[in-house]
Formats: sequence, structure tokens, C-alpha cells
Amino acid sequence: DADVTQTPRNRITKTGKRIMLECSQTKGHDRMYWYRQDPGLGLRLIYYSFDVKDINKGEISDGYSVSRQAQAKFSLSLESAIPNQTALYFCATSASGTASYEQYFGPGTRLTVT
Amino acid sequence: AQSVAQPEDQVNVAEGNPLTVKCTYSVSGNPYLFWYVQYPNRGLQFLLKYITGDNLVKGSYGFEAEFNKSQTSFHLKKPSALVSDSALYFCAVRDGTNTGNQFYFGTGTSLTVIP
Repeated sequence: DADVTQTPRNRITKTGKRIMLECSQTKGHDRMYWYRQDPGLGLRLIYYSFDVKDINKGEISDGYSVSRQAQAKFSLSLESAIPNQTALYFCATSASGTASYEQYFGPGTRLTVT
Repeated sequence: AQSVAQPEDQVNVAEGNPLTVKCTYSVSGNPYLFWYVQYPNRGLQFLLKYITGDNLVKGSYGFEAEFNKSQTSFHLKKPSALVSDSALYFCAVRDGTNTGNQFYFGTGTSLTVIP
């Protein structure tokens, strides 16, 4: 987990506020992902990026935006938070190429929107 | 469409007994299959993967999984369960074609090993 860090780890915010979740990695991976985890729903992909100039929507991108500031940094923003965005958010990385495909996850950010 | 099913929300097993956590998948190309474990208040940790080759894959902490193409399954197994194996387990699949860029996760199975 130490190779992929997320800040903040916990956040409580009010409906309508803008909030940014940040992810940094020291694994040297080019691919980065944002997921949300909800009880009974598993992990769902929000956005993914295969390099600094590549951003792709995932399964549930509505209400979210992302920024890939550098190869090692990938931020997730909620422009106007709503209560159903309360969830556990994970950042993940993976390497491109055929050497490996598994993802490495950060420790998560628990977001509560009141 | 790609998808993963974990039919059991909860699996209970006695310590020392063998354990199985089930996973079935649907993918358009050759599947790349993964198992992850999540301990409380932690991120997911990679356990093992099947990309190609031997259908029986061995991973971390004594876990193994068997790829069965005809049954589209990738069940996680361990011969002798430990109390410390109690955690949430996720199966994931990725389409192995050149366009398969996303990973799809199951809903998770909570494993409880009873002392």
C-alpha cells in the first residue's frame, strides 16, 4: 500500500461542495485508475488513464472529473458533491506491456457527503 | 459485455478445513483473471492471476485458483483455512484482447474462518 498513497484518508463534506481526492504512486506505473466501493456492489470503475495525455471514462463517470497532473499523480474531483457519492474511493495503478497486469491499490479514501 | 459473478456473499469455514470461494466470468476475448483480498480498513491486495498456461495457479498465502474455460469459472481455493484468512475477497476479469483495457470486479465474498 505504501507505493500508492491517497489523501485525504477520510473526509466529510456537505452537499454541493467541491472536493478533490488525490493519488500518488512511486511504482513507476503508467496506468492509473479510480474506483468506488459500495457495500454489495463491489468496485466500480470511475475513470482511468493510460498516460498523462490519456483520460477515459469508466462505468460510472457522471458527477466526477479527473486530472492526470503527472505520471505519478491522478486526482479525482467531485464538482458538486451529493449524498449518493458517499463511498470508499480507491486509486489503483498497473503497468502496461505484457510483463504484468495486476493492479496495485491505495489504502482508500472514505468520503461522506451530508 | 464483461462481467464477474461471485454467487456467495458470505462463506464460513472451520479453521483447518479446505475453503473455496467461487467466481464465474463473462468476457468477449481470452480472459485475464485475478483474485484480490481486502482486510478491514485496507486497500485491495493482489493474490494471484491467470493469464495463460497451467489452469491451476498458485498465489500468495497458500491460495490457489483453478481456471476452467468450459465452465467459465475461476474458483479460489486453499487446502487448510486459517483464522487470519478472514477477509473480503474479490474476483476480477480483464478482456485479454488489445481493446480490453478495463478490469471488472465481482461484488465480493466475505470469508469467515471459525476457530
